[in-house]
Amino acid sequence: EIVLTQSPGTLSLSPGERATLSCRASHSVSNNHLAWYQQKPGQAPRLLIYGASSRATGIPDRFSGSGSGTDFTLTITRLEPEDFAVYSCQQYGSSHWTFGQGTKVEIK
Amino acid sequence: QVQLVESGGGLVKPGGSLRLSCAASGFTFSDYYMSWIRQAPGKGLEWVSYISPGSTTIYHADSVKGRFTISRDNAKKSLYLQMNRLRAEDTAVYYCARAYDYGDFWGQGILVTVSS
Repeated sequence: EIVLTQSPGTLSLSPGERATLSCRASHSVSNNHLAWYQQKPGQAPRLLIYGASSRATGIPDRFSGSGSGTDFTLTITRLEPEDFAVYSCQQYGSSHWTFGQGTKVEIK
Repeated sequence: QVQLVESGGGLVKPGGSLRLSCAASGFTFSDYYMSWIRQAPGKGLEWVSYISPGSTTIYHADSVKGRFTISRDNAKKSLYLQMNRLRAEDTAVYYCARAYDYGDFWGQGILVTVSS
């Protein structure tokens, strides 16, 4: 099973700042099959990125994904008030799909 | 628009059973893989089960294998999760998702609490 470790656990930033979130895999993720989700309290996860760098339908271009192999990054170029949430990565490159534990982006 | 609505959750004693249902609308249900994904209180997400459009391919996580069974009824546009021999560690919000590889649409989730 591929273990995904996200860092930092919590990111304290102000609106307008840039957020950089990391997701590191215990083994290489084949074909860069990695997705990112946003989740707000009491809500279901929302797909942001798939294939490491492809934005899902309707996702603003301030969200971007990058990386390959074992190291992946989600970048939010300028934080909007609605972007403060928990972000989780998920790999689907192996037969057992796994999620990271999440990074909380909170208002500083 | 795509809608997924879960039902059937609640409080159950250890060793008990529950059946979750998910009603789908807004897309051609019979064309898509569907999944159940859960989230224990304060924890990360865990993929529980998925099922192919024709029910020919089914996956269950090791943590639920032999206890949980995923199924679907394409005529009723519904997804199900039969949960038997429930344990305290099965306590979680269970999400129905249009998902294979990754989930592009999710329901709002339903809480299952296993406690005596």
